[in-house]
Amino acid sequence: DTAVSQTPKYLVTQMGNDKSIKCEQNLGHDTMYWYKQDSKKFLKIMFSYNNKELIINETVPNRFSPKSPDKAHLNLHINSLELGDSAVYFCASSQRGANAYEQYFGPGTRLTVT
Amino acid sequence: AQSVTQPDIHITVSEGASLELRCNYSYGATPYLFWYVQSPGQGLQLLLKYFSGDTLVQGIKGFEAEFKRSQSSFNLRKPSVHWSDAAEYFCAVGAMDSSYKLIFGSGTRLLVRP
Repeated sequence: DTAVSQTPKYLVTQMGNDKSIKCEQNLGHDTMYWYKQDSKKFLKIMFSYNNKELIINETVPNRFSPKSPDKAHLNLHINSLELGDSAVYFCASSQRGANAYEQYFGPGTRLTVT
Repeated sequence: AQSVTQPDIHITVSEGASLELRCNYSYGATPYLFWYVQSPGQGLQLLLKYFSGDTLVQGIKGFEAEFKRSQSSFNLRKPSVHWSDAAEYFCAVGAMDSSYKLIFGSGTRLLVRP
């Protein structure tokens, strides 16, 4: 069983389109994250949700809107896609408490905007 | 602000040789430190973590890391590298601002010569 899964794995789209990436975790964790990995492999936090409540929003453009329907799911919707949005997007999850920093990552979604 | 530096962009070692990947962090108190590995086209897998206690920590796949407060370092080591260890390695520190986000270094790509 995959602990943290993301769909789709690859996403190719044109500038101006709107797209969504879905993430699901079956670890029973209460906190989920979105990270962006750019073309130089640099990883940076975008958002974090704890029990469906937004707790981190790292100066991400308003075109990015996360949604957490329940604590096992965290989706990322992107409006008006731009070339600079091309990256690999990783979902992760963790459990608040003693191991709160121990995050488990999904396989990533490679987004290519043309 | 906390930060993580991985001074080596690429490292090439021969199969069977020992390995050390460098990581330096900036934080006044004892940080939470992590090493993750990213195989080509894959997500990030946690290799090991340091929260407190014994400064030499053992991880999966035969890796270990040593926390040295005096040098602000958390270097990753392996006594004998296998070809399957070729991957990107990321050092990370847990942000001490109640967000539980991870702050990543820029990564080190490990190449293994046959």
